[in-house]
Amino acid sequence: GAGVSQSPSNKVTEKGKDVELRCDPISGHTALYWYRQSLGQGLEFLIYFQGNSAPDKSGLPSDRFSAERTGGSVSTLTIQRTQQEDSAVYLCASSLRGAPDTQYFGPGTRLTVL
Amino acid sequence: DAKTTQPTSMDCAEGRAANLPCNHSTISGNEYVYWYRQIHSQGPQYIIHGLKNNETNEMASLIITEDRKSSTLILPHATLRDTAVYYCIVRVRRADTGTASKLTFGTGTRLQVTL
Repeated sequence: GAGVSQSPSNKVTEKGKDVELRCDPISGHTALYWYRQSLGQGLEFLIYFQGNSAPDKSGLPSDRFSAERTGGSVSTLTIQRTQQEDSAVYLCASSLRGAPDTQYFGPGTRLTVL
Repeated sequence: DAKTTQPTSMDCAEGRAANLPCNHSTISGNEYVYWYRQIHSQGPQYIIHGLKNNETNEMASLIITEDRKSSTLILPHATLRDTAVYYCIVRVRRADTGTASKLTFGTGTRLQVTL
């Protein structure tokens, strides 16, 4: 079956521009996570969606970051007024309800802010 | 999460079994052992997990010692595509809440499979 997909795979933008990153989770997975990973670093949790519950936004680094999940499926992470320190790989993962320890990751979007 | 110790790096010849150890001597009774890997420029990939019995799936086998203080991930016939950083994580099964269920990786073992 299809895994988690993310688009675009690469995004180069200028400082100050807004970007939108998309994640399509595995069908039937109610939980969706956004992480980011800077070069050579570990995973940084950003936001979590579970079904129709209010998202856990506790990992978002600033109010320039926001995310939504429409219809309990596709999610969009938006970064407004991008800064150079936003450059990283943005990873999306999904999991079945009740199984948050087995997360399935997408290939990531590599964001470069010039 | 219990502390884990893994070797920094390992080499394995293609076609041979890769045995990746993980020490978790402070593991408690309700903590599971999870393995993930991350191939260069790709997202992390779940491999396998177990509590106390040995487990096998299409990717790998997990051998957990009887005292549960250590485990070994076995890739039975390593290929070049198995070159990656392998992460051993020990933790209780998490509730479905974001912050509590987020994954955190240590430094892992960098496995290099060679011809």
